[in-house]
Amino acid sequence: DAKTTQPTSMDCAEGRAANLPCNHSTISGNEYVYWYRQIHSQGPQYIIHGLKNNETNEMASLIITEDRKSSTLILPHATLRDTAVYYCIVRVLVSGNTPLVFGKGTRLSVIA
Amino acid sequence: DTGVSQNPRHKITKRGQNVTFRCDPISEHNRLYWYRQTLGQGPEFLTYFQNEAQLEKSRLLSDRFSAERPKGSFSTLEIQRTEQGDSAMYLCASSPGTGNEQFFGPGTRLTVL
Repeated sequence: DAKTTQPTSMDCAEGRAANLPCNHSTISGNEYVYWYRQIHSQGPQYIIHGLKNNETNEMASLIITEDRKSSTLILPHATLRDTAVYYCIVRVLVSGNTPLVFGKGTRLSVIA
Repeated sequence: DTGVSQNPRHKITKRGQNVTFRCDPISEHNRLYWYRQTLGQGPEFLTYFQNEAQLEKSRLLSDRFSAERPKGSFSTLEIQRTEQGDSAMYLCASSPGTGNEQFFGPGTRLTVL
């Protein structure tokens, strides 16, 4: 699986959009971009994933650059409950589910 | 949907003792994963099962570690002769065979004194 690079930490004001970047310059054509987050003392939680098109769900939006070498997770209206470590993961989607390879992620602090 | 459950939530043991953790996946999820997470790091994959078959084991899974999923439902992770370096959060996750998401439990925090 390709390696990802994320900032160690970020702050965001409550109610504002949180934009979390991820670099994956060695991504292959068959690798997807996944985002998980981990709130303190809980297990990781799936947020969203995509291949090359932008994706949106009830939690967030995922913007992937045209060359697919980077992406941005957008939380449109951050709340205090969004304070967590956010992990960007690149993986091949084969039949079934392969293990996830986590990096250190970005620690997002949402400030009132 | 009751989610993935793990027991115990916390375990304190002395070096050299054996410990066993249990994971109950979401009903009908045929894939079950074990991860380990140390302070300040992301989770690291240990092993996973499809139904009762253990399909992959990480190099992190030394011979003191053993995992089972005897009937393809709950799973146990046993650590024999615990060492202080085994202190970590042990996370379990499950997924349906054709889904994309892994659903994680709250973890078992192990402290080896």
